[in-house]
Amino acid sequence: GAVVSQHPSRVICKSGTSVKIECRSLDFQATTMFWYRQFPKKSLMLMATSNEGSKATYEQGVEKDKFLINHASLTLSTLTVTSAHPEDSSFYICSARNSVSRSRYGYTFGSGTRLTVV
Amino acid sequence: KQEVTQIPAALSVPEGENLVLNCSFTDSAIYNLQWFRQDPGKGLTSLLLIQSSQREQTSGRLNASLDKSSGRSTLYIAASQPGDSATYLCAVRVRQSGGGADGLTFGKGTHLIIQP
Repeated sequence: GAVVSQHPSRVICKSGTSVKIECRSLDFQATTMFWYRQFPKKSLMLMATSNEGSKATYEQGVEKDKFLINHASLTLSTLTVTSAHPEDSSFYICSARNSVSRSRYGYTFGSGTRLTVV
Repeated sequence: KQEVTQIPAALSVPEGENLVLNCSFTDSAIYNLQWFRQDPGKGLTSLLLIQSSQREQTSGRLNASLDKSSGRSTLYIAASQPGDSATYLCAVRVRQSGGGADGLTFGKGTHLIIQP
């Protein structure tokens, strides 16, 4: 149980375009999802907390107009990188807290999305 | 601000050895601590989750301990195998006084190579 599906796994886009990344909880409801960014040989950095039915909470230094988050249902959160630039190229990973059995699963992570902006 | 440090940054050992990975955190008021495995270019696989009230958790050849008061955790891998080669990440969730969810703070990981 507690599977999180993230799509796409890889995407290449041109500078100035927007890219949408989806994160789905497949077998549980996730009122809260998290978006992380990972630079090469660096740790994961929390970007924002996505709450179902309300606005996302962004970490300091993360541009909310640049990284749009929508959490319209209990099983889906999306991250849209708007007007992408080469410096946005990174590995983006989502995670969800399993509210049903969080004591056992804690946080479950998606497989990540490798974004390359050319 | 919570900071998580993992030592060593990289480790290479022959197959069959037992090994220990270390994780330390600066704020002991954690909700739980989780160890993950990450293969190159992949997402994270949860290995073990230790609640703040627990001292250790075991799963197969893996054993994780937690000493909250000293801000330390160790991941013990017994009888290492080449398939254990990966980056191991330690992450803590800080307890929020007002309740609600909180993201994880990660260490930079230990890159482990098990030589056949």
